[in-house]
Amino acid sequence: NAGVTQTPKFQVLKTGQSMTLQCAQDMNHNSMYWYRQDPGMGLRLIYYSASEGTTDKGEVPNGYNVSRLNKREFSLRLESAAPSQTSVYFCASIFGQEASYEQYFGPGTRLTVT
Amino acid sequence: GDSVTQMEGPVTLSEEAFLTINCTYTATGYPSLFWYVQYPGEGLQLLLKATKADDKGSNKGFEATYRKETTSFHLEKGSVQVSDSAVYFCALRGKAAGNKLTFGGGTRVLVKP
Repeated sequence: NAGVTQTPKFQVLKTGQSMTLQCAQDMNHNSMYWYRQDPGMGLRLIYYSASEGTTDKGEVPNGYNVSRLNKREFSLRLESAAPSQTSVYFCASIFGQEASYEQYFGPGTRLTVT
Repeated sequence: GDSVTQMEGPVTLSEEAFLTINCTYTATGYPSLFWYVQYPGEGLQLLLKATKADDKGSNKGFEATYRKETTSFHLEKGSVQVSDSAVYFCALRGKAAGNKLTFGGGTRVLVKP
């Protein structure tokens, strides 16, 4: 049981390049999320998927697209990278409701856009 | 909208010192409250949580009590170790927010031997 996995761990892009961040979970969770983490700002929600086949915008969706490929996988795409997208990106999957609710996070992808 | 405010770091302590990280929140209704910890180079891990007023969450020697009257969820540990050096995030899940969490900005804690 690997939990939530992300690839790659590190990436450097030039402005205007595109790339896809991959996320997979093996816990059979319905909901998956993408966050970005910037110094002093905590985690901000980019996009989420409440279930397979659905996606919704979060707090900071501009410049990103997502695909919920199947129940396990949720990818994040940067079509034309900008320096403002330099950040650490975390994927998470959601388990439970109310008292049993918990988010499980991947190890993160550190992206630098030059 | 929902928001979480936590003390800015870094907080530097000596081993065996007492740690407090303040967290206050703004939310409609009665949210669930969480503390997450992020060790260097890793993702976030749930440290503890509380789902209703006066609940106390505890784990690994850390405690936090859900105080509705002061809208607070302060994290405490009586005797820190070097291995507690990490970034700590307070978060809430509002009743109207579905599965969404709102995070504070994080507090970096450095424990020196």
